[in-house]
Amino acid sequence: KAGVTQTPRYLIKTRGQQVTLSCSPISGHRSVSWYQQTPGQGLQFLFEYFSETQRNKGNFPGRFSGRQFSNSRSEMNVSTLELGDSALYLCASSLGQVQETQYFGPGTRLLVL
Amino acid sequence: DAKTTQPPSMDCAEGRAANLPCNHSTISGNEYVYWYRQIHSQGPQYIIHGLKNNETNEMASLIITEDRKSSTLILPHATLRDTAVYYCIVRVLSYSGAGSYQLTFGKGTKLSVIP
Repeated sequence: KAGVTQTPRYLIKTRGQQVTLSCSPISGHRSVSWYQQTPGQGLQFLFEYFSETQRNKGNFPGRFSGRQFSNSRSEMNVSTLELGDSALYLCASSLGQVQETQYFGPGTRLLVL
Repeated sequence: DAKTTQPPSMDCAEGRAANLPCNHSTISGNEYVYWYRQIHSQGPQYIIHGLKNNETNEMASLIITEDRKSSTLILPHATLRDTAVYYCIVRVLSYSGAGSYQLTFGKGTKLSVIP
């Protein structure tokens, strides 16, 4: 079974621009979670989507948003990019029920100049 | 989620067992211990998890103390490919029916396997 895939793998943007990242979960998985990883803050939870609904949200500003489609694929959007948004963005998928393990994708490396 | 404490770094000789400790003294009865590892700039890789019994899979063994306040991840025969940051995470099991949870990562243990 194919793993979690994320596109693009690398991205360079400038301040003020917006960006959309995509995540395709493992087949059959209905939950997609997004995390941000930076050297200073480590891995931090952004939000989780399940059946096209945001089910959980971390402590990030409204510039960070996401959505999930009926096929469980998910996108996250960051508007008005700041230098501090440079990070590795990871998504993880799971079946979405209690006790299910999250499996991570390879991440998208975003550099904001 | 309960907080975990791990040593910042450890070395292990190739071919020897790597024993990575984790303290989670405030763990609650319904909280699982999860282990992930992250090889440089890749996505975290799931290793193993457990509640109160010891667990073993093809990658590792997880030993949880009887009081559940600490655990040890064991890689039985470490190889150079096991060099990574290992994260111990205590994850609360959601009984709300929503099934939602988030993983709270600490700084982990950087394991270096030495030839």
